[in-house]
Amino acid sequence: DSGVTQTPKHLITATGQRVTLRCSPRSGDLSVYWYQQSLDQGLQFLIQYYNGEERAKGNILERFSAQQFPDLHSELNLSSLELGDSALYFCASSSGGAVTDTQYFGPGTRLTVL
Amino acid sequence: EDQVTQSPEALRLQEGESSSLNCSYTVSGLRGLFWYRQDPGKGPEFLFTLYSAGEEKEKERLKATLTKKESFLHITAPKPEDSATYLCAVQVNDYKLSFGAGTTVTVRA
Repeated sequence: DSGVTQTPKHLITATGQRVTLRCSPRSGDLSVYWYQQSLDQGLQFLIQYYNGEERAKGNILERFSAQQFPDLHSELNLSSLELGDSALYFCASSSGGAVTDTQYFGPGTRLTVL
Repeated sequence: EDQVTQSPEALRLQEGESSSLNCSYTVSGLRGLFWYRQDPGKGPEFLFTLYSAGEEKEKERLKATLTKKESFLHITAPKPEDSATYLCAVQVNDYKLSFGAGTTVTVRA
């Protein structure tokens, strides 16, 4: 158990809908990273937050957004969902803001868009 | 542009049969290379970080090594519980890791 929690574990929804994925980092960690993992794309970095502020952006679509709250939990919002958005979404946390800090991954949320 | 390439895609081993996984990268001025283990349906689990050519790290039956162009993950006398997908990632800038597609290792008893 990495100490990172993600909810929900599974999510099934329809095209065009909007969903919110939630992540609670390990106790004391200030950084939260979001990743998307699909069979054809592998693990893709989406976005990083550090202590409430956006730190870095990766391959995140404009239909996706995220935020980190004062209690350091984070939410990833996915809107106007398409079939291709079906994937595993992972959250990871680290103690500092540097990408070389060890990232601890949560169990993931499996999103299925029908 | 592929920055991280892992080979082979899949590896089937008999228990006790040692082998190596390869991770080659094209990032110049490598600042960090990471190995993770991922079990089916679970998040990646951190194994090692390597920073400079010649560096080696070990954990139980796993040993990671780094050269200027590639990294190897050696599995010595593997057991069935070593079955997993092993992911390699490199630091591509100050804020981003680029992951390879992974090598899926299956160890038969």
